[in-house]
Amino acid sequence: DAGVIQSPRHEVTEMGQEVTLRCKPISGHDYLFWYRQTMMRGLELLIYFNNNVPIDDSGMPEDRFSAKMPNASFSTLKIQPSEPRDSAVYFCASTPRTRNNEQFFGPGTRLTVL
Amino acid sequence: AQSVTQLGSHVSVSEGALVLLRCNYSSSVPPYLFWYVQYPNQGLQLLLKYTTGATLVKGINGFEAEFKKSETSFHLTKPSAHMSDAAEYFCAVSEGAGGFKTIFGAGTRLFVKA
Repeated sequence: DAGVIQSPRHEVTEMGQEVTLRCKPISGHDYLFWYRQTMMRGLELLIYFNNNVPIDDSGMPEDRFSAKMPNASFSTLKIQPSEPRDSAVYFCASTPRTRNNEQFFGPGTRLTVL
Repeated sequence: AQSVTQLGSHVSVSEGALVLLRCNYSSSVPPYLFWYVQYPNQGLQLLLKYTTGATLVKGINGFEAEFKKSETSFHLTKPSAHMSDAAEYFCAVSEGAGGFKTIFGAGTRLFVKA
């Protein structure tokens, strides 16, 4: 299996621009998670989906952040407008219901907002 | 609400020495507990997990952890450190059966000296 795929791997943008991060979960996995990792705050859960439906978005920091999962094989995390404090590594992870919440992480997208 | 505390943001050991990384958790329901490892510029990967049953769990690369309910602990050990063990380690807790939201600890960076 290919594992969780994230794109782009690196993104550099200027403050105020829209940023879209993409994720393809492992086929057959029911749950998809978006995390943000920073030195100051560690690994934070932003939102997670079950069968393409958002279940808990309480970790989304502001209205500038939005996430969608239009189908079982694709999800996006969008930041509009971006700010320098959004600079972080964003991870996508997925898991099937049968694995007791063992999560499979993608390689991450390193976002730098200038 | 759940929480995870990892004692020590940095741990340094000599090659061949015992590795002990400490994790304490808080959970209002029977938890599922995890240890993940992160190598530079990579996503997290599962080392081991506890769900139910035997409280001593063995994982990959010679690591093991023991669930101690009375102490609310889930410490990670390895009898003999190898240079390749140098990485960041994360303890995590989720709500057990039916609960997919996972809370991660702040991480412990392990250094291995030759």
